[in-house]
Amino acid sequence: ETGVTQSPTHLIKTRGQQVTLRCSSQSGHNTVSWYQQALGQGPQFIFQYYREEENGRGNFPPRFSGLQFPNYSSELNVNALELDDSALYLCASSWGGLAGLGEQYFGPGTRLTVT
Amino acid sequence: KQEVTQIPAALSVPEGENLVLNCSFTDSAIYNLQWFRQDPGKGLTSLLLIQSSQREQTSGRLNASLDKSSGRSTLYIAASQPGDSATYLCAVSPNTGNQFYFGTGTSLTVIP
Repeated sequence: ETGVTQSPTHLIKTRGQQVTLRCSSQSGHNTVSWYQQALGQGPQFIFQYYREEENGRGNFPPRFSGLQFPNYSSELNVNALELDDSALYLCASSWGGLAGLGEQYFGPGTRLTVT
Repeated sequence: KQEVTQIPAALSVPEGENLVLNCSFTDSAIYNLQWFRQDPGKGLTSLLLIQSSQREQTSGRLNASLDKSSGRSTLYIAASQPGDSATYLCAVSPNTGNQFYFGTGTSLTVIP
């Protein structure tokens, strides 16, 4: 059984550019959640995908978008990057349904720096 | 909106001490609560999950308790070791939840 993996590990982008981050969920999990963690803060929920459909979104603008694929892997896309988007982006997978969220397993994260 | 608070923000103890980390949340209608460990610049490692119907969970030197009515959870670490040095985060998911709400964490340093 493989754990949650994320790519790339680190990324440096320029303000205004677009970025795609990738996540492979743990085997058997059907739900992927994305979080943004600024330095010294707790993770903030961006959105969740359940069975390839967006299943909730936090307080993030539409330039943050995502996809989930049939194998339950996922992408996070951010358009028109801003300096404040610099953060650690975390992906978490779980077995979930509509009744509530099960135990979440996190990947190692992608450190995005916007200059 | 659920708010999660962790106290203290930072803690420094000598090796071998027993310690307690605190987590409080404002809405008691939770589905579960999960404790994580995070090393600097790394992802989160799950330590313990407590479902809303449970009062505590144990794993090795770690014990987590949950009191939904008072909106509190504690993480007890016995016989602390330098390798326990990390940031500890607690997170709660609501009954109709599709997300975890995180606290800002407690940064723990165990001095050899």
